[in-house]
Amino acid sequence: GENVEQHPSTLSVQEGDSAVIKCTYSDSASNYFPWYKQELGKRPQLIIDIRSNVGEKKDQRIAVTLNKTAKHFSLHITETQPEDSAVYFCAARDDKIIFGKGTRLHILP
Amino acid sequence: DGGITQSPKYLFRKEGQNVTLSCEQNLNHDAMYWYRQDPGQGLRLIYYSQIVNDFQKGDIAEGYSVSREKKESFPLTVTSAQKNPTAFYLCASSGLVIDTQYFGPGTRLTVL
Repeated sequence: GENVEQHPSTLSVQEGDSAVIKCTYSDSASNYFPWYKQELGKRPQLIIDIRSNVGEKKDQRIAVTLNKTAKHFSLHITETQPEDSAVYFCAARDDKIIFGKGTRLHILP
Repeated sequence: DGGITQSPKYLFRKEGQNVTLSCEQNLNHDAMYWYRQDPGQGLRLIYYSQIVNDFQKGDIAEGYSVSREKKESFPLTVTSAQKNPTAFYLCASSGLVIDTQYFGPGTRLTVL
């Protein structure tokens, strides 16, 4: 079955700098890759997703890139703000969604 | 994800009791899921269902049971066989073609 590895587990960046979170997956049949943001005590919220026929997708300060050959995908957050502090989960899906273990992002003032 | 509701928000259970967590969705989604989340941990799949009257075990199904009698509803029972049930439980749903998964607000279960 699918296995998703996510790095780093914790990331601290200065406000205004960029943050990058990386994930790898094992099943080449996976064709859908969502990213979720979870604030403390809240539900995970979808922030961006990408399908396997696309290499990059951008939504304002957030972008995701996908390298199908290497089986890895990344989340990029530019011009980070305090409200970006949260836990971020990547996921990959073939018949069901498999989540990475999450990255706790701290935005430092 | 506003179309997925979970109840109760907080639940307290005595050891040896079974408890049932409710999950309802009005998004007309075919698939529904239950996840368990422990403090500082990721999401672990308990059970999922892609059609009514059918469901599959996830990675940590032992001590849990589910039913899917209606498309809109996917209740989870935490049985007394689950030895460490204190956790945050999240229900989710998705379509089968448009497969974005949306989460409910969660139920926090505490064993007294």
